[in-house]
Amino acid sequence: NSKVIQTPRYLVKGQGQKAKMRCIPEKGHPVVFWYQQNKNNEFKFLINFQNQEVLQQIDMTEKRFSAECPSNSPCSLEIQSSEAGDSALYLCASSLLLGGREQYFGPGTRLTVL
Amino acid sequence: GQQVQQSPASLVLQEGENAELQCNFSSTATQLQWFYQSPGGSLVSLLSNPSGTKHTGRLTSTTVTKERRSSLHISSSQTTDSGTYLCAIDPNSGTYQRFGTGTKLQVVP
Repeated sequence: NSKVIQTPRYLVKGQGQKAKMRCIPEKGHPVVFWYQQNKNNEFKFLINFQNQEVLQQIDMTEKRFSAECPSNSPCSLEIQSSEAGDSALYLCASSLLLGGREQYFGPGTRLTVL
Repeated sequence: GQQVQQSPASLVLQEGENAELQCNFSSTATQLQWFYQSPGGSLVSLLSNPSGTKHTGRLTSTTVTKERRSSLHISSSQTTDSGTYLCAIDPNSGTYQRFGTGTKLQVVP
């Protein structure tokens, strides 16, 4: 099944602290997605990359998050100043192509902001 | 509004019973995936089925594209099937997936 690796599995931060999580996509998958899943099971798309380039991102990500997918290094998503509302499961997915192909998900990083 | 609606929201079955989960979506879909999410949070892709009928093991998915609906049939349920089943679509080739909020399935002995 999926070989997407996410670390850490759990992250606890205080409000205002930085929170950084990493993702290694499946080998050979140039497209990477980040999603946020809240406690009500609602998914929010955050950002996606093709190789090292950002393709799409939402307003919130642009303002409070920084993300990158450098070549030969894990992708990362960092919240610059954590808020209580950021507590959620952060899921990374990778795919062979941008559209029309299956996405494979990692186990997620569960962030708790106290 | 919500682009992907799933029903029922929750379902309790006796082991051995069959389950039918529904997914309705409000836009055309170039891709549709059914996922299983364990209580621990890991998301596992079960089936990719943008149109027609697909089988894998005890799972059968039928997607009627022009009616914008898909179903997932689980036969002979087992306690290990308990978890949340999510439907996700890619509404336009080249964008991210939209998810429903899932059906929480509990299979009791």
